[in-house]
Amino acid sequence: DVKVTQSSRYLVKRTGEKVFLECVQDMDHENMFWYRQDPGLGLRLIYFSYDVKMKEKGDIPEGYSVSREKKERFSLILESASTNQTSMYLCASTSGGAFYNEQFFGPGTRLTVL
Amino acid sequence: TQLLEQSPQFLSIQEGENLTVYCNSSSVFSSLQWYRQEPGEGPVLLVTVVTGGEVKKLKRLTFQFGDARKDSSLHITAAQPGDTGLYLCAGQDQGGKLIFGQGTELSVKP
Repeated sequence: DVKVTQSSRYLVKRTGEKVFLECVQDMDHENMFWYRQDPGLGLRLIYFSYDVKMKEKGDIPEGYSVSREKKERFSLILESASTNQTSMYLCASTSGGAFYNEQFFGPGTRLTVL
Repeated sequence: TQLLEQSPQFLSIQEGENLTVYCNSSSVFSSLQWYRQEPGEGPVLLVTVVTGGEVKKLKRLTFQFGDARKDSSLHITAAQPGDTGLYLCAGQDQGGKLIFGQGTELSVKP
């Protein structure tokens, strides 16, 4: 059974803290993605990676960074958390090759920044 | 920036009713996917449509991709409470990234 796991389901942090969100997939997928999901806005792409140590900015990268040291792990970093980063964060992975491959999502991390 | 407008945003119906969710854009997409998300879980892929005019059926769900590949619809026949959830359309742009619609929150009451 394919799986994408995220380190925390719920997280509460204070303004200014450094926050790490971890994502691990066991499908040997090349591509990994970080999205945030807000009511009425759908999913918005923050960063993605097509290979180890490779990263590309998505549509809303400001205030975030990422790290991909191993193929199976993709981390999202909030350098200095702010209240407007309170959101649901979803990680996804997909195999390379076909242009319209299915994205497999983790269960999400609901982050609250106070 | 390519945008996908999804409507309606909220839908509350009785069991047995039919419904249609629309996904529209002014841009052409290489393919379009429909996902369903249940509370506390990530989205799960229902279907991918690739060819303009394509129609796919998944039991009581019918998906259609517009001829010009700018719009899509999801029709559910005889909705059941188990269909309750958030439905998301996502178009794949020329670079391969997914552009998501805002989502449709469906509630089917027994």
